[in-house]
Amino acid sequence: DTAVSQTPKYLVTQMGNDKSIKCEQNLGHDTMYWYKQDSKKFLKIMFSYNNKELIINETVPNRFSPKSPDKAHLNLHINSLELGDSAVYFCASSPRDRGLWGYTFGSGTRLTVV
Amino acid sequence: QKEVEQDPGPLSVPEGAIVSLNCTYSNSAFQYFMWYRQYSRKGPELLMYTYSSGNKEDGRFTAQVDKSSKYISLFIRDSQPSDSATYLCAMISGYALNFGKGTSLLVTP
Repeated sequence: DTAVSQTPKYLVTQMGNDKSIKCEQNLGHDTMYWYKQDSKKFLKIMFSYNNKELIINETVPNRFSPKSPDKAHLNLHINSLELGDSAVYFCASSPRDRGLWGYTFGSGTRLTVV
Repeated sequence: QKEVEQDPGPLSVPEGAIVSLNCTYSNSAFQYFMWYRQYSRKGPELLMYTYSSGNKEDGRFTAQVDKSSKYISLFIRDSQPSDSATYLCAMISGYALNFGKGTSLLVTP
């Protein structure tokens, strides 16, 4: 299946832990993104990579670090997790930068920090 | 003030009704306007995409943009229970999409 796939789908962890979320797309897209959706359903851009190069780095804590080993993968590592990090994290990709042709989103990773 | 404003609802309508969903925005530089649909526990999926002012129709869906008023709308005709979802408007700014908060729609049989 052609898609954007994220793992894990659910992640429950304690405050202070370090965790990673992985994302892979097999659509041949050039640009990948991480979005955060809070409890009020608001989707906000965190990072964007175009051909492994970081092009968007919004105001997010330094504890969040994206890594793109190749064009098809964009992982998100989070250090020292806090309660406020609880949210659904969506990976997305688009065939060009700026998302003009629309994004394809993954199904999300629901992170709960306890 | 957020750049994109959208009434979160919830909006409940009977099957067959015409649904009107709306967003306002403040950044006059926005040129590309999109509507995404998000089912519960799923990622958003692109429904429609328009450029500049005017209407665009796709089956039961019509997207309308009025740049002079900074107002966009999505109309759903003959609404179905399967249309029950959250609808998010989105606009291009720089390299990313700016999303509204989404309107939750429930179509009851």
